Amino acid sequence: KAGVTQTPRYLIKTRGQQVTLSCSPISGHRSVSWYQQTPGQGLQFLFEYFSETQRNKGNFPGRFSGRQFSNSRSEMNVSTLELGDSALYLCASSPGQLLTNTEAFFGQGTRLTVV
Amino acid sequence: EDQVTQSPEALRLQEGESSSLNCSYTVSGLRGLFWYRQDPGKGPEFLFTLYSAGEEKEKERLKATLTKKESFLHITAPKPEDSATYLCAVQANSNYQLIWGAGTKLIIKP
Repeated sequence: KAGVTQTPRYLIKTRGQQVTLSCSPISGHRSVSWYQQTPGQGLQFLFEYFSETQRNKGNFPGRFSGRQFSNSRSEMNVSTLELGDSALYLCASSPGQLLTNTEAFFGQGTRLTVV
Repeated sequence: EDQVTQSPEALRLQEGESSSLNCSYTVSGLRGLFWYRQDPGKGPEFLFTLYSAGEEKEKERLKATLTKKESFLHITAPKPEDSATYLCAVQANSNYQLIWGAGTKLIIKP
């Protein structure tokens, strides 16, 4: 069974640009959550999508957005990039929503560097 | 404010030397506590979910326990392949998002 796939693995962008990251969940999983991981702040929840709807959102500015498609694949977009957005962005998929305490399976992440 | 604190930040052990990692939490109604393992360059890998005080779960050399204020991850006779960063996260009844600790970096020397 294929795991969670995130693309691209590495990305370098310039301040002010925008970026789109992609996540393909495990087949049959309908929930996709996104996290930002930095050495200083650790793992922080961005948002969760379930059945194409955002179900939960963390404390991030509106520059961070996402969407989920009918095949459960998800994309995350960050507009007007700032240096502080440099981080490892992780996607996790689950069979059910976060509120059901289901085990989350993480991808390897996308390492975003903003210069 | 919901908060998770892990200690120690780093732990170096000899192969076979048992020890425990701590996860202290403050949350308004615990829905669940999660332990994950993260290897360098990879995403976290699920280990355990604990739901109520007194609950224990085991997997190979790892055993997780839960009280009303903290959780312990006990590692018995560790091997070098147990080296990783161990992350703890809690989920509150009021908000389903996971709140993560900073992790404990465990190094097992052969």
